[in-house]
Amino acid sequence: NAGVTQTPKFQVLKTGQSMTLQCAQDMNHNSMYWYRQDPGMGLRLIYYSASEGTTDKGEVPNGYNVSRLNKREFSLRLESAAPSQTSVYFCASREQGSYEQYFGPGTRLTVT
Amino acid sequence: AQKITQTQPGMFVQEKEAVTLDCTYDTSDQSYGLFWYKQPSSGEMIFLIYQGSYDEQNATEGRYSLNFQKARKSANLVISASQLGDSAMYFCAMRWYSSASKIIFGSGTRLSIRP
Repeated sequence: NAGVTQTPKFQVLKTGQSMTLQCAQDMNHNSMYWYRQDPGMGLRLIYYSASEGTTDKGEVPNGYNVSRLNKREFSLRLESAAPSQTSVYFCASREQGSYEQYFGPGTRLTVT
Repeated sequence: AQKITQTQPGMFVQEKEAVTLDCTYDTSDQSYGLFWYKQPSSGEMIFLIYQGSYDEQNATEGRYSLNFQKARKSANLVISASQLGDSAMYFCAMRWYSSASKIIFGSGTRLSIRP
């Protein structure tokens, strides 16, 4: 099992450009999450999806959109990137009834 | 609103000593869970321990234990006999059952173990 995979690993964007971060899990988990981690800020929840077909806002959803494409995949889209969105983005998944989240390796995004 | 607070940005501890990392939380829910994760310099997130709000005993996992004081709304992580490999960022996190899938994190504590 690959666990949680994220693509790309690194990305540099110019202000105003758009991109989609991809996340996939092969553990048949119901819940999936997107977090961002800024230096010294810990992880902040952007969006989450409790199950296929549902998405909800987290702590910092502004400037982002998500799609739960199917049970395996949960993508995060930046429509018009801003320097304030420079961060490391983590995707995670969790089985219903379990408390442990499994994290992907992260995507390091720089917006210039 | 639910909130997690870690007030120690950084700590230095001598190898083999025990260390306590502080975590306080704020919620009006009665049913919730508390977690600790470790993030080494390599960046991955490693689950350490979980405590449910209705668990009567403090959670333990090897050298990790969670000192859960419900009335004080604190869930401190205790690492016994610290090792050099314990040097990392440590995050406290919370999940509450009125919004069962939502999980939020504190800002973290950077632990450095001195040989």
